[in-house]
Amino acid sequence: GESVGLHLPTLSVQEGDNSIINCAYSNSASDYFIWYKQESGKGPQFIIDIRSNMDKRQGQRVTVLLNKTVKHLSLQIAATQPGDSAVYFCAENTLYNNNDMRFGAGTRLTVKP
Amino acid sequence: DAGVIQSPRHEVTEMGQEVTLRCKPISGHNSLFWYRQTMMRGLELLIYFNNNVPIDDSGMPEDRFSAKMPNASFSTLKIQPSEPRDSAVYFCASSSGLQDYGYTFGSGTRLTVV
Repeated sequence: GESVGLHLPTLSVQEGDNSIINCAYSNSASDYFIWYKQESGKGPQFIIDIRSNMDKRQGQRVTVLLNKTVKHLSLQIAATQPGDSAVYFCAENTLYNNNDMRFGAGTRLTVKP
Repeated sequence: DAGVIQSPRHEVTEMGQEVTLRCKPISGHNSLFWYRQTMMRGLELLIYFNNNVPIDDSGMPEDRFSAKMPNASFSTLKIQPSEPRDSAVYFCASSSGLQDYGYTFGSGTRLTVV
């Protein structure tokens, strides 16, 4: 069946470096994508989203890129800080059913001081 | 708004006992979701409600699991009888039903069945 998946389960970066977390999706009908951050002992927290009519969206220190041709999503974190250490999930949804959110397996980001 | 509120934060129970998890969604949100998170299976959607009505419970593992939403501000997830394999973190999330902004999650209930 169609699913959301991640290329890398773990990522370790040095404080101050940029981080890139990748995600592959297979449902071509998905038109809304979200990145969530989950810290230890907490629920997933919304970071940034993007609609399928966009290729790029920027937030504060974060940028999401969407490549619909290859069904690929990425999250870029600039100047990674220790507080960015967490598990990051991508999720996809469809226009006609906001209740069909599907989550990837997650990537654990560790920031070394 | 205090966000999505779940209780208890931690629950340890013996196999065979009944467990009830509680959730208060964000006021004004008309969709509520129950998720289960494990290392092996990640985040799994168990059931969701729209306007207090259960819409899709295909993710509920088996008949031991049941969920209710008696009003717009309260939902429960019950496991009876509980088994060790039910041990997981259970999250409740709510949504306004609009496509943007995704779901708001609670802090979860960590359930341990011994």
